[in-house]
Amino acid sequence: DAKTTQPPSMDCAEGRAANLPCNHSTISGNEYVYWYRQIHSQGPQYIIHGLKNNETNEMASLIITEDRKSSTLILPHATLRDTAVYYCIVRAPSGYSTLTFGKGTMLLVSP
Amino acid sequence: GAGVSQSPRYKVAKRGQDVALRCDPISGHVSLFWYQQALGQGPEFLTYFQNEAQLDKSGLPSDRFFAERPEGSVSTLKIQRTQQEDSAVYLCASSLGGRNNSPLHFGNGTRLTVT
Repeated sequence: DAKTTQPPSMDCAEGRAANLPCNHSTISGNEYVYWYRQIHSQGPQYIIHGLKNNETNEMASLIITEDRKSSTLILPHATLRDTAVYYCIVRAPSGYSTLTFGKGTMLLVSP
Repeated sequence: GAGVSQSPRYKVAKRGQDVALRCDPISGHVSLFWYQQALGQGPEFLTYFQNEAQLDKSGLPSDRFFAERPEGSVSTLKIQRTQQEDSAVYLCASSLGGRNNSPLHFGNGTRLTVT
């Protein structure tokens, strides 16, 4: 699986948009970009995933650059409950493939 | 609907004891994964099941670690003769599997402390 690079930490004010970047310059053409987050003392929570097109769901938006070498996860209106470690993961296309976690980005949302 | 359930939530074992950690996946999920998460680190893959078949156990750190899923549903991770370095959170995840790129859904883990 391709490796990803994320900043170790970010801050965001409550109510503002949180934009979390991720570099995955060695991604293969058929690999997906996945985002998970992990709140303290809980298991990782699935947020969103995409291949080429931008994706949006009730939790977040995922913007993937045209060359697919980087992506941004957007939380449009961050709340205190969004404080967590966010993991960007590149995953092989099979439903049987595992996830390889890096160190992620610690997002701290402040009042 | 019900998510992935793991039990116990916390386990304290004396060094040398055997432990068994249980995972109840989401109903109908074909794929089941076990991960180990040390303090301050991201989860690391241990093993993978497709139904009852253990197709990948490359992440198991030693032969003291054993996992099974005999009926293709509930899974148990067993650690024999526990050591202090086994202290970690053990996470279970399940997914639909198949050719679709279905996400993994995680339980909240079992925190194992070996004293």
